[in-house]
Amino acid sequence: DIVMTQTPLSSPVTLGQPASISCRSSQSLVHSDGNTYLSWLQQRPGQPPRLLIYKISNRFSGVPDRFSGSGAGTDFTLKISGVEAEDVGVYYCMQATQFPLTFGQGTKLEIK
Amino acid sequence: EVQLVESGGGLVQPGGSLRLSCAASGFTFSSYSMNWVRQAPGKGLEWVSYISGSGSAIYYADSVKGRFTISRDNAQNSLYLQMSSLRDEDTAVYYCARWHTPMVRNLGYWGQGTLVTVSS
Repeated sequence: DIVMTQTPLSSPVTLGQPASISCRSSQSLVHSDGNTYLSWLQQRPGQPPRLLIYKISNRFSGVPDRFSGSGAGTDFTLKISGVEAEDVGVYYCMQATQFPLTFGQGTKLEIK
Repeated sequence: EVQLVESGGGLVQPGGSLRLSCAASGFTFSSYSMNWVRQAPGKGLEWVSYISGSGSAIYYADSVKGRFTISRDNAQNSLYLQMSSLRDEDTAVYYCARWHTPMVRNLGYWGQGTLVTVSS
């Protein structure tokens, strides 16, 4: 199974300041079709997860452009250019390159 | 608008069985692969099972293999998860989630979830 490791696990951020979350996979996420199926999801308190970013850097419909994704191979990053109050929650990276699908442990974003 | 509505959760004793359903609307159900993902109280996300649009390809997490069965009824736009030999550690909110597009592998759309509690 592919292990997904996120850092940090907790991130206190001042409103308006940037935030960054890293995700490392235990093996390459490049699929045989040439795509890299690395996603980022947001889970606000009491809500189901919501897709933010797919295939490393593509924003899902309706996702604000302050969210961006980057990386390649086994190392990936989610950046928020200026944190807003509504961004509080837990962020997960997820790989769908290979079954079983696997998630990172989650990073809790909170406001300082 | 894509909608996924889970139902069937509840309290069940260890060793018991339960069948979860997910009613889909707003898209051509048979064209999309579907998944079940669960989240134990206060914990992270755990993928449970996958089924392709036609039902011909099915995968399970090792933790549920041999105990859970995923299925779908494309005529009824419904996804199911038959759970048997339930254990305490199966207690979780169970979400159904749709593949982003038929060709893009990620969990693009999620339901609100249904809570399964396994306890005596």
